[in-house]
Amino acid sequence: EPEVTQTPSHQVTQMGQEVILRCVPISNHLYFYWYRQILGQKVEFLVSFYNNEISEKSEIFDDQFSVERPDGSNFTLKIRSTKLEDSAMYFCASRGWGTDTQYFGPGTRLTVL
Amino acid sequence: QKEVEQDPGPLSVPEGAIVSLNCTYSNSAFQYFMWYRQYSRKGPELLMYTYSSGNKEDGRFTAQVDKSSKYISLFIRDSQPSDSATYLCAMSASSASKIIFGSGTRLSIRP
Repeated sequence: EPEVTQTPSHQVTQMGQEVILRCVPISNHLYFYWYRQILGQKVEFLVSFYNNEISEKSEIFDDQFSVERPDGSNFTLKIRSTKLEDSAMYFCASRGWGTDTQYFGPGTRLTVL
Repeated sequence: QKEVEQDPGPLSVPEGAIVSLNCTYSNSAFQYFMWYRQYSRKGPELLMYTYSSGNKEDGRFTAQVDKSSKYISLFIRDSQPSDSATYLCAMSASSASKIIFGSGTRLSIRP
């Protein structure tokens, strides 16, 4: 069964460093999403992406964040200058054309020291 | 008022019991309602999906949506220890829009 994959599973970085989180959505899916979950809190929407453009973004998704689909298979989330409060699980999700459900990856645990 | 409210539990029941999980919401624009299961430090896994009001059954799981009361439920029959996880209710206004999650209910099934 096709699934969303994410790398790395765990990323440790120093405050102020740039990180890139990578996702491979389900093949043929066209809609891509990033969510995050701070430990013990709700899963929160960050951004949605379709046709090489951001469709929607939350207040959390400020200028420090960017997304990119550099090729036909990867979808990345970049945090330019990480803060302690960026420590969280980051989930990528994808959705196919004409379908209603988003499928989530296993997540990348980001720890900012 | 929070957009989606869910009792965080924890909820502990004996194996074989019927489990009832619930969420309330305030945004009447929500049309799509989902239940995800999440194991510790893993990604949400879609369990049930319902459009608008009504019931949907899949094996031991039944999802109910009552839009007039802004209330959704998930029932698990013949619960198993392997059902132990956190259950997230989730909803969205359209198939393309962001999903809003509840805080999750931690469920434990005792053998």
